[in-house]
Amino acid sequence: EPEVTQTPSHQVTQMGQEVILRCVPISNHLYFYWYRQILGQKVEFLVSFYNNEISEKSEIFDDQFSVERPDGSNFTLKIRSTKLEDSAMYFCASSESPLQETQYFGPGTRLLVL
Amino acid sequence: GNSVTQMEGPVTLSEEAFLTINCTYTATGYPSLFWYVQYPGEGLQLLLKATKADDKGSNKGFEATYRKETTSFHLEKGSVQVSDSAVYFCALSEGGYQKVTFGTGTKLQVIP
Repeated sequence: EPEVTQTPSHQVTQMGQEVILRCVPISNHLYFYWYRQILGQKVEFLVSFYNNEISEKSEIFDDQFSVERPDGSNFTLKIRSTKLEDSAMYFCASSESPLQETQYFGPGTRLLVL
Repeated sequence: GNSVTQMEGPVTLSEEAFLTINCTYTATGYPSLFWYVQYPGEGLQLLLKATKADDKGSNKGFEATYRKETTSFHLEKGSVQVSDSAVYFCALSEGGYQKVTFGTGTKLQVIP
């Protein structure tokens, strides 16, 4: 069964450093998302992406964040200058079409900012 | 805006006990409703879904019925197993490319 994959599974970085989290969505999916889950808290929406544009973003997704689909398979989340409060699990998700409500999630990248 | 409220955990049950995890929602339109499960150390997996009122989603012995009149989507299983120990998230989505709104999650621990 096709699945969303994410790399790395864990990343440790120093405050102020840039990180790039990578995702490979399911191959025929056209809509992509990033969510985060701070330890012990609920999963929060960050951004949705379609046709090489951001469709919607939350208030969390400020200028420090950016997303990109650099090629036909990868979808990346960049945090330009990490803060301690960026420490979280980051989930990528994808869905097939506007009529397909189900989003399929990857296993997540656990980011720790020191 | 949309929101999902689910019962606080953790929930501890003995193997073969009956499980109910309550979930209610607030939405402006007619959302699709989901239960996702997160096993220890793993990501989010779709457990079941329902897209319209009175639909029943089911998978792996778990069931949930979309109740529009009570705005609820309670998760049930007749006989839990130790392997069901996980965190369960109720969630909703309005429209295909809209964000998924999650509840806070309910941790289930099943003891032998």
